[in-house]
Amino acid sequence: QKEVEQDPGPLSVPEGAIVSLNCTYSNSAFQYFMWYRQYSRKGPELLMYTYSSGNKEDGRFTAQVDKSSKYISLFIRDSQPSDSATYLCAMSERTGRRALTFGSGTRLQVQP
Amino acid sequence: DGGITQSPKYLFRKEGQNVTLSCEQNLNHDAMYWYRQDPGQGLRLIYYSQIVNDFQKGDIAEGYSVSREKKESFPLTVTSAQKNPTAFYLCASSTVSTYEQYFGPGTRLTVT
Repeated sequence: QKEVEQDPGPLSVPEGAIVSLNCTYSNSAFQYFMWYRQYSRKGPELLMYTYSSGNKEDGRFTAQVDKSSKYISLFIRDSQPSDSATYLCAMSERTGRRALTFGSGTRLQVQP
Repeated sequence: DGGITQSPKYLFRKEGQNVTLSCEQNLNHDAMYWYRQDPGQGLRLIYYSQIVNDFQKGDIAEGYSVSREKKESFPLTVTSAQKNPTAFYLCASSTVSTYEQYFGPGTRLTVT
């Protein structure tokens, strides 16, 4: 079983919809959580970074962390065709090598 | 303009040849990382370095080598010992006091 599970999609939604992307994880030592957006053949771009359980909002994006359930989410409001990309969740332990463990990514398509 | 550069963008090599991928950053970050991405998979850690002249193996280091002679530079050599070198290679950096990483644009290596 992978440490981080993420539904690969593709997830297809109409423009303006609210999108929900999710990851589950098994390692309770993960303390830091990130969401990256990756366009085809490009490097990942950091969207959101959270530490504690709860919500963090930035514009149209909201990141949610539930450590008790080992579950994280990214919500995108008023989705746009330009949001069409692969979304990767990533997480890190507090100590040790500080490298990120990634989910396999969810491909999102926003239809105009 | 601060950021991470990787070169070349595309690289083609014959089987049995070593090849070196370049990664440079001007973010003044101490830590640098190399990841490999295969289709439908998340990023996997190859090597990382938290300080000049020191680096550590990641999860899939076999067949790869690195050096860290300067803070700004962390080149990756894919040797002929790497069984399946064709992949998308991503370099990232971070400060040692935070956990979020910033990625370069990637190098797509094809070995035939």
